[in-house]
Amino acid sequence: DVQLVESGGGLVQPGGSLRLSCVTSGFTFRSHSMSWVRQAPGKGLEWVAIIKQDGSEKYYVDSVKGRFTISRDNAKNSLSLQLSSLRTDDTAVYYCARGGIRYLSDGFDVWGQGTVVTVSS
Amino acid sequence: SYVLTQPPSVSVAPGQTARLPCGGDNIGRKSVHWYQQKPGQAPVLVVYDDSVRPSGIPERFFGSNSGNTATLTISRVEAGDEADYYCQVWDTFSDHHVFGPGTKVTVL
Repeated sequence: DVQLVESGGGLVQPGGSLRLSCVTSGFTFRSHSMSWVRQAPGKGLEWVAIIKQDGSEKYYVDSVKGRFTISRDNAKNSLSLQLSSLRTDDTAVYYCARGGIRYLSDGFDVWGQGTVVTVSS
Repeated sequence: SYVLTQPPSVSVAPGQTARLPCGGDNIGRKSVHWYQQKPGQAPVLVVYDDSVRPSGIPERFFGSNSGNTATLTISRVEAGDEADYYCQVWDTFSDHHVFGPGTKVTVL
């Protein structure tokens, strides 16, 4: 079974940091681009960041650029998102999502269950 | 940045057809993906590359894309189709994925 399992969410104060992890299994991790997508309470989906199969390319939504860092460890089949300088509007469920094997533009065919990040004083 | 538009809500009777538009500038030149999200659950890919259904998605889900509008059509709507539906594209100018605001489908 293909699985993505996120962890690392929690309650953090504004300005704080957090590291999210996504452990994967059941597929050839190094063959797929990977993304993080978030969803604020009661709101729609917002793409956050994407990383190419070999980690050579990374792209971010403008609102997190310079604050968040996406990375991957192909030897450990894992994806990470380092969140820094957190703001209250970063509060959301953060999903790990599997991209395609062809292009960064491919859709996300497998999603994790999400991890909740709450930024509040 | 590239903007996608979707109607906030669509209501449809069981057995009827729901048509969910997704608007964008020359969206017909892009590959559009569609997701279904039920309350408290992660999104599920129901159509990718405009019109391809992943394994396990019923043939009742049909995608099309032309001009400035992509459309997800759900035929013979069932109560279990009640969910939020999001369209998504890759914006080549900004190297960003973009989601539409979503359409809530209510089955009457």
